[in-house]
Amino acid sequence: NAGVTQTPKFQVLKTGQSMTLQCAQDMNHEYMSWYRQDPGMGLRLIHYSVGAGITDQGEVPNGYNVSRSTTEDFPLRLLSAAPSQTSVYFCASSYLERETQYFGPGTRLLVL
Amino acid sequence: AQKVTQAQTEISVVEKEDVTLDCVYETRDTTYYLFWYKQPPSGELVFLIRRNSFDEQNEISGRYSWNFQKSTSSFNFTITASQVVDSAVYFCALSEGPGGSYIPTFGRGTSLIVHP
Repeated sequence: NAGVTQTPKFQVLKTGQSMTLQCAQDMNHEYMSWYRQDPGMGLRLIHYSVGAGITDQGEVPNGYNVSRSTTEDFPLRLLSAAPSQTSVYFCASSYLERETQYFGPGTRLLVL
Repeated sequence: AQKVTQAQTEISVVEKEDVTLDCVYETRDTTYYLFWYKQPPSGELVFLIRRNSFDEQNEISGRYSWNFQKSTSSFNFTITASQVVDSAVYFCALSEGPGGSYIPTFGRGTSLIVHP
């Protein structure tokens, strides 16, 4: 099993550009989520999904979109990148929300 | 208000010292789960332990031990005889339901630096 994979590992964007961060898991997990990690702020939940076709907002959803068309994939879209979105992004999955979260390796995003 | 409070932003110890990382949580639900994760300097997040609200038994795993006390809403993590490899950021997390729908909430993390 590859576990949770994320691409790209590192990305530089200019303000206003859009992009999609990819996340995939091969563990047949129902629950998937996106977090951003900023210094001193811990892990903040952006969006989550409890199953294919179901998504919901977390603590910091503004500027991000998600969709869940399959159990395996949970992409995160930045609609119009802003410098405030410079961060490290982690995707996580688990069989259920209350179970252990398995994290991807992270995507480091720099918005200029 | 934070649901998970890790008041210690950074702790610095010398190798072989014992160190305790504090985690205080807030929930009104009787059913919840608590977690600890480790993030070493390489950046990945690694699961350490999961505990449910009905099991207050303390747990020991090698040099790691966890003290769960519902009376004080705390789930503290102790490393005995710390080593340089223990240097990492440690996150405590709460998964509460049903109002919280078990969606995990993380604390801000405690950075542990172990000096040789």
